[in-house]
Amino acid sequence: GAVVSQHPSWVICKSGTSVKIECRSLDFQATTMFWYRQFPKQSLMLMATSNEGSKATYEQGVEKDKFLINHASLTLSTLTVTSAHPEDSSFYICSAWEGSYEQYFGPGTRLTVT
Amino acid sequence: AQTVTQSQPEMSVQEAETVTLSCTYDTSESNYYLFWYKQPPSRQMILVIRQEAYKQQNATENRFSVNFQKAAKSFSLKISDSQLGDTAMYFCAFSTDLNSGGSNYKLTFGKGTLLTVNP
Repeated sequence: GAVVSQHPSWVICKSGTSVKIECRSLDFQATTMFWYRQFPKQSLMLMATSNEGSKATYEQGVEKDKFLINHASLTLSTLTVTSAHPEDSSFYICSAWEGSYEQYFGPGTRLTVT
Repeated sequence: AQTVTQSQPEMSVQEAETVTLSCTYDTSESNYYLFWYKQPPSRQMILVIRQEAYKQQNATENRFSVNFQKAAKSFSLKISDSQLGDTAMYFCAFSTDLNSGGSNYKLTFGKGTLLTVNP
């Protein structure tokens, strides 16, 4: 089946630094990739949608200058959290869509900002 | 805008019994898709079952089945013969416009129902 990986699975960074999270579709080409944020015991909140070679489309309320998304190829999208602060600590999940009905989800990345 | 409502924050069931999770949604779209996703403690999102709105027949996947009531905008999930491995957070989700391309294919999730299967 379709597999999506995320790296790293857990990252701790200091306040004010930037951290990059990678999302890869391992055995298919993803037309579109999505980035979600999930707080403990809450639902997934869509942050942005990215298509290969295009600028990402951000959901209302998501700071595009803080959460930089690059979709450089059909198998790789990256999310960079710039100047991270403790309130950015969360679980970030990506998903990839190759044109069928299903989004394939990565295992998620836990970000802790100290 | 579409909304998805799951009114049961938590539920529990005994192993081997049947449980039904509720979901309602609101949309003005005529063509859409509904999904149930499972998120176990590992936090990996797993697709359990999907339903196309244009299909009248309720979807079934082994022990999992749905009761899709389009007029009532209701989409409940029935889990038969519950197993310990079914313990997870279950999310109901909605998407529209599958055929028109990526940027319109967004999932809207409900708040989730935490299901615990007791031995």
